[in-house]
Amino acid sequence: DARVTQTPRHKVTEMGQEVTMRCQPILGHNTVFWYRQTMMQGLELLAYFRNRAPLDDSGMPKDRFSAEMPDATLATLKIQPSEPRDSAVYFCASGLVFRDWAYEQYFGPGTRLTVT
Amino acid sequence: AQKITQTQPGMFVQEKEAVTLDCTYDTSDQSYGLFWYKQPSSGEMIFLIYQGSYDEQNATEGRYSLNFQKARKSANLVISASQLGDSAMYFCAMRETVSGRDDKIIFGKGTRLHILP
Repeated sequence: DARVTQTPRHKVTEMGQEVTMRCQPILGHNTVFWYRQTMMQGLELLAYFRNRAPLDDSGMPKDRFSAEMPDATLATLKIQPSEPRDSAVYFCASGLVFRDWAYEQYFGPGTRLTVT
Repeated sequence: AQKITQTQPGMFVQEKEAVTLDCTYDTSDQSYGLFWYKQPSSGEMIFLIYQGSYDEQNATEGRYSLNFQKARKSANLVISASQLGDSAMYFCAMRETVSGRDDKIIFGKGTRLHILP
């Protein structure tokens, strides 16, 4: 049963600290997404990768957020320095086009981040 | 402009009744895809169903079906014979092409469904 895994599941940190969230996409999926979910904004796309190359990170505050895919089995989202407004649930999802415009996308369990 | 609109912030439905969750979308692309996800109180996002814009048949997955009306740009989710476990937040999402090459998936604000015993 293939799943997207994310670590840590919960993170509490103080303002100004660095936070790194990790994601292992489903083996064989060629697209990885990072989303942020808050009550006020709903689900926002932060960044996504296709075949490990960053395609769009326009949803991400560039001064403090960075997303990378060092290899096909690991995607990272880093916040430095963190701020209280970054408190949210961060989801990773991986996806695959398996025929013309047919698509599957599966989410990880999320990382609940609290910045105090 | 909002790309995905879910007009029902909340719904209450009696168990065993059918439920229709509304979703309208806005795109000028010819090729796109539509998804529905379920998010229970545990917080995980569960993929339910996918419809491609070129698919002529409405997608179905068990008790879930997608009522795709392309001309009206609507992609409503229908849940037949609702169960208590269907109580959750439901998100409609669209995959569209950006710059003719890349694609991105954007989500609506969601509908919270409550199934009553």
